Amino acid sequence: KAGVTQTPRYLIKTRGQQVTLSCSPISGHRSVSWYQQTPGQGLQFLFEYFSETQRNKGNFPGRFSGRQFSNSRSEMNVSTLELGDSALYLCASSLGGTSGANVLTFGAGSRLTVL
Amino acid sequence: DAKTTQPNSMESNEEEPVHLPCNHSTISGTDYIHWYRQLPSQGPEYVIHGLTSNVNNRMASLAIAEDRKSSTLILHRATLRDAAVYYCILRDTLRETSGSRLTFGEGTQLTVNP
Repeated sequence: KAGVTQTPRYLIKTRGQQVTLSCSPISGHRSVSWYQQTPGQGLQFLFEYFSETQRNKGNFPGRFSGRQFSNSRSEMNVSTLELGDSALYLCASSLGGTSGANVLTFGAGSRLTVL
Repeated sequence: DAKTTQPNSMESNEEEPVHLPCNHSTISGTDYIHWYRQLPSQGPEYVIHGLTSNVNNRMASLAIAEDRKSSTLILHRATLRDAAVYYCILRDTLRETSGSRLTFGEGTQLTVNP
């Protein structure tokens, strides 16, 4: 079956602009979560959406937002881009259970460069 | 989430077994132990998870200490494709709000020599 698809794979923006990243989860998965990966901070949780509702949120400023559609596809948006937002943004999908046994499947990521 | 401690790096030779350790001395009785790995230029990939008993799957084995304060991921025959950063993560089964939130540490960079 198809994996988690993220688009675009690479993009370059300038400071002050905004960006929207897209994630299509595995069919049947209702949870989509987003992570930011940078060399300095490693992998950090941004937020999670389940059945179109934000279920959990990490410690990121309000410039980072997201949404989930009825087909479980998700988008995340970063407004007023800063140089420090340059990172690999990863999306992960899962069935959505809250059990500790819940397993995530990650996409290949969207590499954002802010100039 | 409870904290895990892993060595920063390890080396192995191709076709030899690899034992990747993880310490989690503050683990609670309801924490699952998960392992993910991240190959270069890819997103993390699920490897294996367990609660109390040792687990085997097609990718690896997970050996969990009797007191659950440590665990070891075992790759039975390392290949060059196993070179990756391996993350040991604890997931609390009772925290309803934890959802899909994973707390990644630094992980162990595994180098496999030909």
